[in-house]
Amino acid sequence: DVKVTQSSRYLVKRTGEKVFLECVQDMDHENMFWYRQDPGLGLRLIYFSYDVKMKEKGDIPEGYSVSREKKERFSLILESASTNQTSMYLCASSLSLTAGGFETQYFGPGTRLLVL
Amino acid sequence: AQSVTQPDIHITVSEGASLELRCNYSYGATPYLFWYVQSPGQGLQLLLKYFSGDTLVQGIKGFEAEFKRSQSSFNLRKPSVHWSDAAEYFCAVGATYGQNFVFGPGTRLSVLP
Repeated sequence: DVKVTQSSRYLVKRTGEKVFLECVQDMDHENMFWYRQDPGLGLRLIYFSYDVKMKEKGDIPEGYSVSREKKERFSLILESASTNQTSMYLCASSLSLTAGGFETQYFGPGTRLLVL
Repeated sequence: AQSVTQPDIHITVSEGASLELRCNYSYGATPYLFWYVQSPGQGLQLLLKYFSGDTLVQGIKGFEAEFKRSQSSFNLRKPSVHWSDAAEYFCAVGATYGQNFVFGPGTRLSVLP
């Protein structure tokens, strides 16, 4: 069965702290994604990765960075957390299709981050 | 750029009633379209997807969706809603770059007993 796990369901951090959110998938997927979800805005893409050590900016990368050292793991880093980064963070993964098109994204349960 | 609108922020239906959730997209080519459901406190689960072929797509949990190119719509339907269907529903379209999706803002469904 498809499995995407996120290291924490809930996190409380203070302004200025460095925050790491971890995501692991066991499906050997090439693509991994980080989204944030806010009421009324749906999901917005922060960063994505097509392969190990590769990353691309999404729609709202400011204030975030990512790391992908292994195929199964994709980390989201908040270098200096701010209150406007309080949100639900969702990780997803998908297969790559050599012929193009779009493959289903599988989502983790989410991490609800509160920055005080 | 691609965009997805879900005109209804919140819908309430009675258990056993029929349901239709609206989704409109903006995309220049043949879209790849998805509906996901998110139960409270959970991640997103795929309900169904449309890539090509038959414009009426069947999904899990008794849901179906119909792709209408002329209306740029991909509405989700269910003939008889169950209390467990109460959740938030997201429509998404495949973007032109990479393997990315653009998600709509979501529609929250409440079900009355």
